[in-house]
Amino acid sequence: GESVGLHLPTLSVQEGDNSIINCAYSNSASDYFIWYKQESGKGPQFIIDIRSNMDKRQGQRVTVLLNKTVKHLSLQIAATQPGDSAVYFCAENAGGTSYGKLTFGQGTILTVHP
Amino acid sequence: GAVVSQHPSWVICKSGTSVKIECRSLDFQATTMFWYRQFPKQSLMLMATSNEGSKATYEQGVEKDKFLINHASLTLSTLTVTSAHPEDSSFYICSAKKSPSYEQYFGPGTRLTVT
Repeated sequence: GESVGLHLPTLSVQEGDNSIINCAYSNSASDYFIWYKQESGKGPQFIIDIRSNMDKRQGQRVTVLLNKTVKHLSLQIAATQPGDSAVYFCAENAGGTSYGKLTFGQGTILTVHP
Repeated sequence: GAVVSQHPSWVICKSGTSVKIECRSLDFQATTMFWYRQFPKQSLMLMATSNEGSKATYEQGVEKDKFLINHASLTLSTLTVTSAHPEDSSFYICSAKKSPSYEQYFGPGTRLTVT
């Protein structure tokens, strides 16, 4: 779906806690999903991706879960650190004639308190 | 590997002038580059898709005569904002993709302020 958001959701956690950031997508044809981290004044930084034929993928301290039934994507960050504070975006690729094009979600501001 | 640069990182220009932003893939060849615009506290909005050697494909609502895109080589795409106005002030971000991978590598962005 469209990705414009005037008021980004926020999530505040304490250092060491686990964080869960959620994202809903609307295009059932999307076959590839990515989570990005964006720090202030910088470009998006790749965190982890997942293809539609999977429902879970793990990286270092991060896990992405995909529920295609309800079109929901989540990013779990274990043992959250102050350096994880940033805006997190999910993005989807619709494939087909839209191959390569990404549609970004509205983003979530994560603040980690020491 | 997979580093994308943008130049300049920030620019201030007067209303009515044109500004060119460069996007370079430093260590790989990018068959496709994308240009995004991001307003404060908002998400990235795709403006156009640029394929080397062919005309860019613009998203609905993006004026192709105002935002000129040239993908002259496999490592360089440029975005020219023509006759800039204050409402064009934004953060412009490019990304580059290696075929056939889905993954896009993002540049650091260019902050444009039009006075």
